[in-house]
Amino acid sequence: DTVMTQTPLSLSVTPGQPASISCKSSQSLLHSDGRTYLYWYLQKPGQPPQLLIYEVSKRFSGVPDRFSGSGSRTDFTLKISRVEAEDVGVYYCMQSLRLPITFGQGTRLEIK
Amino acid sequence: EVQLVDSGGGLVQPGGSLRLSCAASGFTFTNHWMSWVRQAPGKGLEWVANIKQDGSEKKYVDSVKGRFTISRDNAKNSLFLQMNSLRAEDTAVYYCARDYNCNYWGQGTLVTVSS
Repeated sequence: DTVMTQTPLSLSVTPGQPASISCKSSQSLLHSDGRTYLYWYLQKPGQPPQLLIYEVSKRFSGVPDRFSGSGSRTDFTLKISRVEAEDVGVYYCMQSLRLPITFGQGTRLEIK
Repeated sequence: EVQLVDSGGGLVQPGGSLRLSCAASGFTFTNHWMSWVRQAPGKGLEWVANIKQDGSEKKYVDSVKGRFTISRDNAKNSLFLQMNSLRAEDTAVYYCARDYNCNYWGQGTLVTVSS
């Protein structure tokens, strides 16, 4: 299985400050079609997850531009340029290149 | 507006069965793979299964192979998960999601396996 490892597992951020989450995969997520199958989700308290970023760096519909994704092959990063109170929750990375589809352990973001 | 409504969860004894449903609306159901993802209480996300648009391909995580069956009824815009031989470790909120990349999610339905 492709293991997805997120760091840190938790972070506390002052509103208006940046935040960054790392996700490392045990195998390259680059497909022969040129696409990289790495996604980021946010699960707000009491809600289902919502897709933020697909294929490493593409923002999903309605996602604020303070969220950005970067990386390649096995190393990926989600950045929030200026954290807002509504960004509280658990962030997950996910790969869908290889079965089984696997998620990172999650990173809990709280507001200071 | 894309909507996915999960239902069918409940309390079941170990070894029992349950059938989950997901009613889809707001998009052309037959154009999309569909997935089930679960989340044990206080834990992270685990992909369970997915199914191709016409039902011709079905994929499962190893821990449910032979016990769970994913299916769909394209005439009724519905997705299903038949769960047999349930175990305590299957206790979780089960979410249906659209596509391989889970771009939209249902609100989830809780399955509790306990005697």
